[in-house]
Amino acid sequence: DIVMTQSPDSLAVSLGERATINCKSSQSLLHSPNDKNYLAWYQQMPGQPPKLLFYWASTRESGVPDRFSGSGSGTDFTLTISSLQAEDVAVYYCQQYYSSLYTFGQGTKLEIK
Amino acid sequence: QVQLVESGGGVVQPGRSLRLSCAASGFTFSDFGIHWVRLAPGKGLEWVAIISYDGSYKYYADSVKGRFTISRDNSKNTLYLQMDSLRGEDTAVYYCAKDMAARTGFSDYWGQGTLVTVSS
Repeated sequence: DIVMTQSPDSLAVSLGERATINCKSSQSLLHSPNDKNYLAWYQQMPGQPPKLLFYWASTRESGVPDRFSGSGSGTDFTLTISSLQAEDVAVYYCQQYYSSLYTFGQGTKLEIK
Repeated sequence: QVQLVESGGGVVQPGRSLRLSCAASGFTFSDFGIHWVRLAPGKGLEWVAIISYDGSYKYYADSVKGRFTISRDNSKNTLYLQMDSLRGEDTAVYYCAKDMAARTGFSDYWGQGTLVTVSS
């Protein structure tokens, strides 16, 4: 199975500051024939189902604010919030879909400092 | 609008069975793969299973393989998860989630979830 490891496990950032979450996969998620990285990012607020933020590592889902960005390739990926807002408090997960045994990272809890 | 509504959760004793349902609306159900994903207390998301748009393709996480069975009835726009030989570690909120396409592997719509508690 592909193991997904996020860092840090938790993060406290001041309002208006940048938040960065990292995700590392145990094998490359880059599919050479189509040059796509098989990685998605989700946001889960307390008591809510997950919400898709990005797929193909950097394609923003409709309605996601542009202060959110996804980047990376191969085995190393990053979710960045350029200017943290109060409503961004949540747990963030990366997920690989390169292998049919889909796996999530352990999650990163983002809080306000 | 896309809606996914899970049902069938509850309290069940270890070793017993439970069947979850997920009623879908607002999209052409038979065109999309559907996943089950769970969130255990104090843990992170765990992918459980996927079924392809026509039911011909099914994959399971190692933790549930041989105990859980995913199925669908496209005539009723409904997804199922038959859970047998339940264990304490199966306690979780179970979400059904629509695949972005026939079978990409990621999900663009999720239900609100149904809680399964395995306890004696």
